[in-house]
Amino acid sequence: AQTVTQSQPEMSVQEAETVTLSCTYDTSESNYYLFWYKQPPSRQMILVIRQEAYKQQNATENRFSVNFQKAAKSFSLKISDSQLGDTAMYFCAFMNPAVTSYDKVIFGPGTSLSVIP
Amino acid sequence: GAVVSQHPSRVICKSGTSVKIECRSLDFQATTMFWYRQFPKQSLMLMATSNEGSKATYEQGVEKDKFLINHASLTLSTLTVTSAHPEDSSFYICSARSRLAGADTQYFGPGTRLTVL
Repeated sequence: AQTVTQSQPEMSVQEAETVTLSCTYDTSESNYYLFWYKQPPSRQMILVIRQEAYKQQNATENRFSVNFQKAAKSFSLKISDSQLGDTAMYFCAFMNPAVTSYDKVIFGPGTSLSVIP
Repeated sequence: GAVVSQHPSRVICKSGTSVKIECRSLDFQATTMFWYRQFPKQSLMLMATSNEGSKATYEQGVEKDKFLINHASLTLSTLTVTSAHPEDSSFYICSARSRLAGADTQYFGPGTRLTVL
């Protein structure tokens, strides 16, 4: 069974600094998707970034980028120039479309990020 | 972008009553919707996968008769908590898979906070 681990329950970063959130996963599949979702205090889940496993190039979205290490099954999120609005829970997530036709997403336990003014 | 709504956003009910939560995809058709439960400061726990025109697929440990799911159309899925008890109090979130987007795209509703007295 696939599992997703986030080893940092809580993190903090100074405004304008850079922070990296860690995520590891376990799977025997070769084709899958990885995601980072953000859940601010409003509790609305927001997709931050996605990565297809077959792509070697790391995904980027403005200030957000990932370091995808397929062999190590690692998928970390780097937030550059942190802003107060980045304060949220961040969930790493995994999906293997081959396991089920319904594209079930497996979430990690989350990392609570606080951006300090 | 794809928008998913949930109604109601908050509901308080008496123990023993039933509560219905609606999940709608507003600007796209969703053949598959997902229902999650989230406890405070915890990750999302998948309860069931809702498929348009067919029976829902429940995760292990989720009571089918207690959490009734109906996916009557390509834009609407409902979750009914029957004979609610205080332990059912939680935050319930739905997501919808876009038919037009790639298989890796799920859009989340804003959630429903259920409190059972």
